[in-house]
Amino acid sequence: EVQLVESGGGLVEPGGSLRLSCAASGFTFSNAWMTWVRQAPGKGLEWVGRIKSKAVGGTTDYAAAVKGRFTVSRDDSKNTFYLQMNSLKTEDTAVYYCTIGAPIDYWGQGTLVTVSS
Amino acid sequence: QLVLTQSPSASASLGASVKLTCTVSSGHSSYAIAWHQQQPEKGPRYLMKLNSDGSHSKGDGIPDRFSGSSSGAERYLTISSLQSEDEADYYCQTWGTGGVFGGGTKLTVL
Repeated sequence: EVQLVESGGGLVEPGGSLRLSCAASGFTFSNAWMTWVRQAPGKGLEWVGRIKSKAVGGTTDYAAAVKGRFTVSRDDSKNTFYLQMNSLKTEDTAVYYCTIGAPIDYWGQGTLVTVSS
Repeated sequence: QLVLTQSPSASASLGASVKLTCTVSSGHSSYAIAWHQQQPEKGPRYLMKLNSDGSHSKGDGIPDRFSGSSSGAERYLTISSLQSEDEADYYCQTWGTGGVFGGGTKLTVL
């Protein structure tokens, strides 16, 4: 059974940093393309960033709204996917979902990030 | 730039059928999409991948009541024999260089 468990969310002040983790199991993690998606309160889904498998270069892509501030990475030895968020803004407040696949075919349960003073 | 357009809302009666639409922007009519469902207060769930020729492959455990079809730049999700639990937000998505989501359609089951 595929499982994606996010952690690391919480309250942070504007300008601060936070690192989200996603622990994956139930599939061959090293082969998977991993993506973070977020959802602001009462809003729709927003694609954040993705990392491809190392087999196809392990390259990353980011949404314009987070490029230069957020970094996605992976540790295939730990089956874990990360989102490092720096220079956080109030508009980054959202539930952040870890997902796998292209297209996305599995979703985690999400972790809430609140950026507020 | 690729844009996916969805109507904000739709409604249909219990037991009836409904067809939701996702329109792929000009110049991208050959793109495949995925459909996702988000029930109230829950995380999203993958429904299916839908190709431009209308062929589709569904996710694990997705009932036969859910089907997909395509015509030109339009991508459709049809839900037949509507049940109360189908009341949800439905999103379409692509996964090219940068992923894109449509704005979502809120489906109300009357």
